[in-house]
Amino acid sequence: NAGVTQTPKFRVLKTGQSMTLLCAQDMNHEYMYWYRQDPGMGLRLIHYSVGEGTTAKGEVPDGYNVSRLKKQNFLLGLESAAPSQTSVYFCASSYLGLGSYEQYFGPGTRLTVT
Amino acid sequence: AQSVTQLDSQVPVFEEAPVELRCNYSSSVSVYLFWYVQYPNQGLQLLLKYLSGSTLVESINGFEAEFNKSQTSFHLRKPSVHISDTAEYFCAVISDTGRRALTFGSGTRLQVQP
Repeated sequence: NAGVTQTPKFRVLKTGQSMTLLCAQDMNHEYMYWYRQDPGMGLRLIHYSVGEGTTAKGEVPDGYNVSRLKKQNFLLGLESAAPSQTSVYFCASSYLGLGSYEQYFGPGTRLTVT
Repeated sequence: AQSVTQLDSQVPVFEEAPVELRCNYSSSVSVYLFWYVQYPNQGLQLLLKYLSGSTLVESINGFEAEFNKSQTSFHLRKPSVHISDTAEYFCAVISDTGRRALTFGSGTRLQVQP
């Protein structure tokens, strides 16, 4: 049981390049989330999904797109990377049921845009 | 809308001393409260949570937090810290409506010195 995994762990991009971050979970969770972590700002929600085929915007969605074609995977895309997107990206998942609010986090992807 | 304030960005403390990390929240609806811990270069791990019932909750490694509804606080305490407690601690809230995503505070870096 791997929990939540993220690929890649590190990446360096040049301004204007594109990339996709992959998140996978093996806990059959309905909810999945993408957060970014910046110094002194905690984690902020980029996009989230409440089930396969559905996505929605979070607090800071600009410059990112997501897709959830399979229940276990949640992809985060950067179409044209900017230095302001230098950050650590965390994926998380949680169970839908009432009373189950714990989110399980992946190990993170450290992205640098030069 | 909801928000979380962690009043201290850094807390230096000597080993075996007590510590309190402060967390206040604001919300127009009922929320559930969490403390997550992030060790260097790792993802976030759930430390403890308050969903309902006793307002004092404990973790397996000696931390405790008390939910105070009148003061909208959820401060984290430990009577005697260890070097291994050095980490960043995040307070977070979630409501039972909508996206069920966590709203995080900006984090408190606990630095335990020998």
